[in-house]
Amino acid sequence: NAGVTQTPKFRILKIGQSMTLQCAQDMNHNYMYWYRQDPGMGLKLIYYSVGAGITDKGEVPNGYNVSRSTTEDFPLRLELAAPSQTSVYFCASSWDTGNTEAFFGQGTRLTVV
Amino acid sequence: AQKVTQAQTEISVVEKEDVTLDCVYETRDTTYYLFWYKQPPSGELVFLIRRNSFDEQNEISGRYSWNFQKSTSSFNFTITASQVVDSAVYFCALADAGNNRKLIWGLGTSLAVNP
Repeated sequence: NAGVTQTPKFRILKIGQSMTLQCAQDMNHNYMYWYRQDPGMGLKLIYYSVGAGITDKGEVPNGYNVSRSTTEDFPLRLELAAPSQTSVYFCASSWDTGNTEAFFGQGTRLTVV
Repeated sequence: AQKVTQAQTEISVVEKEDVTLDCVYETRDTTYYLFWYKQPPSGELVFLIRRNSFDEQNEISGRYSWNFQKSTSSFNFTITASQVVDSAVYFCALADAGNNRKLIWGLGTSLAVNP
């Protein structure tokens, strides 16, 4: 019963470095999402995907890239990390978009220094 | 535009008190969905409830209850006889058919239940 698995849980990056946050779900959900959560700011949608091979931008996509080559995996790529990307990142999946329950991973706490 | 407002940033209560978390939403759509999620100190987000716009019945689940009122665009959440384990940040969210049904999140209410 893994649900949504995110790795790593914590990471410290130097400015200008790149990294990929991994996300995998085993529920055969079509829809997957990446959010970032800044203190006191709620969740903001970075990118989402409605199925393998289909991705689209959310509210705050700049500085990030995603791919969805399989139903299970939805990695988030940070290129040229900046201090403004210090945040907690959540991956989520759902059977349908919006009108169904979303299942969340445990989050990745990223610090860019 | 869609919007979710959780006016209470932080609430502190003593164990066994009842507490109500407010959620007010804005949408022009007639079909929409409202959610509450809980984020305990451990950090994960946990789904609590989903309600569609055509179902105004209130819901009760144990100590939790939800009051959906379309007339005031509110979807309030009440915890009866609060417990320390209820300490968490609670988020209200809205999805409507007109925005690819993506979730619009409130900023959350941090609830502290003290022994």
